[in-house]
Amino acid sequence: GQNIDQPTEMTATEGAIVQINCTYQTSGFNGLFWYQQHAGEAPTFLSYNVLDGLEEKGRFSSFLSRSKGYSYLLLKELQMKDSASYLCAVLDSNYQLIWGAGTKLIIKP
Amino acid sequence: GAVVSQHPSRVICKSGTSVKIECRSLDFQATTMFWYRQFPKQSLMLMATSNEGSKATYEQGVEKDKFLINHASLTLSTLTVTSAHPEDSSFYICSARDLAGSSGYNEQFFGPGTRLTVL
Repeated sequence: GQNIDQPTEMTATEGAIVQINCTYQTSGFNGLFWYQQHAGEAPTFLSYNVLDGLEEKGRFSSFLSRSKGYSYLLLKELQMKDSASYLCAVLDSNYQLIWGAGTKLIIKP
Repeated sequence: GAVVSQHPSRVICKSGTSVKIECRSLDFQATTMFWYRQFPKQSLMLMATSNEGSKATYEQGVEKDKFLINHASLTLSTLTVTSAHPEDSSFYICSARDLAGSSGYNEQFFGPGTRLTVL
């Protein structure tokens, strides 16, 4: 079956750095997405990786290792507004998005 | 980026009534739209994939006669929850894929979601 694993909840301090990991086992791979979702709102796109390596975009970076079925989202200089759920999703061979359960990130002052 | 709208944003209805939710791609053509449901503190659950001009493909466990999907044009898909019951209360989110978009990587753009409460 298809499976995406990410931690349920993480806590970090304002101004610090946090890394959210995601491992996946899917039928085929056409890219991995990270989305941010605030409570009661729809997900918003953060990043996309299809090749191995690190993609940096401002305070957020995303890393992919296809051979290991592994990705992480790195958030730097954390701000209170970064408190949200972070969803990892993989595009499988049928171009269907397979979603992880999401990681709830709690930022403390 | 591409914009997807959803209407209504919030609806409260009585048990047994039907509710229609609209999803529109505002500045691009979406041959494929997706309907998700999300219960509190849970991840997105794909309900169905809607292709313009053809029947929707429903995920296992989703009743196609209860959740009617119509994708009549390249910019509009509708989800009708028929004979709604309290257990249908959820956050319904649509997304659209812009295959011709400049992103070039099959990104899905999400609507803002519809909060359905069935009394």
